[in-house]
Amino acid sequence: GQQVQQSPASLVLQEGENAELQCNFSTSLNSMQWFYQRPGGSLVSLFYNPSGTKHSGRLTSTTVIKERRSSLHISSSQTTDSGTYLCAALTGGNNKLTFGQGTVLSVIP
Amino acid sequence: DPKIIQKPKYLVAVTGSEKILICEQYLGHNAMYWYRQSAKKPLEFMFSYSYQKLMDNQTASSRFQPQSSKKNHLDLQITALKPDDSATYFCASSQDPGNQAPLFGEGTRLSVL
Repeated sequence: GQQVQQSPASLVLQEGENAELQCNFSTSLNSMQWFYQRPGGSLVSLFYNPSGTKHSGRLTSTTVIKERRSSLHISSSQTTDSGTYLCAALTGGNNKLTFGQGTVLSVIP
Repeated sequence: DPKIIQKPKYLVAVTGSEKILICEQYLGHNAMYWYRQSAKKPLEFMFSYSYQKLMDNQTASSRFQPQSSKKNHLDLQITALKPDDSATYFCASSQDPGNQAPLFGEGTRLSVL
């Protein structure tokens, strides 16, 4: 079945620095989805990206299907960006998401 | 207002007991799902339902039984609870099963003592 590897596992940034989070998947997929998990546990969908590049404010998601990878770029990080970022591969006709282990981001002032 | 309502938010149970986790969505979606997030493990898919019919079941144990009494409900009954069942259980939904981003509820955090 699908396997998703996310890196790095954790990342510490000084406020204002950029972050690049990576996700690699093992088999073909319908789309890649990126989430932010709040400290309380709830999930915020950031991007649904089947291929190419998408932008939302300081966030950019790029999915390259041929290379089986997707990335999330955060520019000019802020302390409020701290939390866990999850990528998930959407596969099959049942909308099944296979999640990565997550990247714990800490942005310090 | 939250469009996917999960109740309760927190739940404490004793080993061997039975609990039902409630999920209702007010999005008019036809597909609903359950996911589980245990400590130190990735979020994992459990079930998918479409038009109140089971489409996929990835749980190894029959102790986990989804129940869909209405199109916008997908509850999760867990019997003979074990400490390993402690996790946050997320309900999600999408318009149809297919190439669509599911939306997630806030989760029910279950602790089994």
